[in-house]
Amino acid sequence: EVQLLESGGGLVQPGGSLRLSCAASGFTFSTYAMRWVRQAPGKGLECVSSITGSGGSTYYADSVKGRFTISRDNSKNTLYLLMNSLRAEDTAVYYCAKAMSWSGYVDYWGQGTLVTVSS
Amino acid sequence: DIQMTQSPSSLSASVGDRVTITCRASQAISNYLAWYQQKPGKVPKLLIYAASTLQSGVPSRFSGSGSGTDFTLTISSLQPEDVATYYCQKYDSAPFTFGPGTKVYIK
Repeated sequence: EVQLLESGGGLVQPGGSLRLSCAASGFTFSTYAMRWVRQAPGKGLECVSSITGSGGSTYYADSVKGRFTISRDNSKNTLYLLMNSLRAEDTAVYYCAKAMSWSGYVDYWGQGTLVTVSS
Repeated sequence: DIQMTQSPSSLSASVGDRVTITCRASQAISNYLAWYQQKPGKVPKLLIYAASTLQSGVPSRFSGSGSGTDFTLTISSLQPEDVATYYCQKYDSAPFTFGPGTKVYIK
């Protein structure tokens, strides 16, 4: 059974940093692209970052480019999102998601972790 | 970047009604289109991929069609458990943009 378990969310002040983790199990982690998708309170879904199975290629939405860094440790079956220079508009539930391939649909989602940026 | 739009933004229908949601891409995306269902307070769930392929375990009352720029999600007979927001998403290339969502209510 595929499981994705996010952690690392919480309350942080504007300008602060946070690192999200996503522990994956139930599939060959290194074979699949992974994504971080966020959802601001009462809003829609936004794919903020994606990474290939090898970690060799990444994508960032313009809204987070230069502030967020996606990475993965295939030996630990774990996906990360390092978030710097956080802004109030980054407040959202962040979902870890497994994609079938780089140009593939998401077939599994984690439960999400809430990030609140506020003073 | 390719923009994704959905219509309507919300709809209300009776149990048993046929419901159709439209998704439009600003440029052709072949059939690289997925539909997700998000029930209130829950995690999104994959319904359909490749525009018309039903994900395993999804009820057959859900169906998808389209190619290029115009796509539809149809619920053939609306059930109370279908109350949710439905999102389309392009996945041919980055950015992997979602549509704004369509909220479905029971009348």
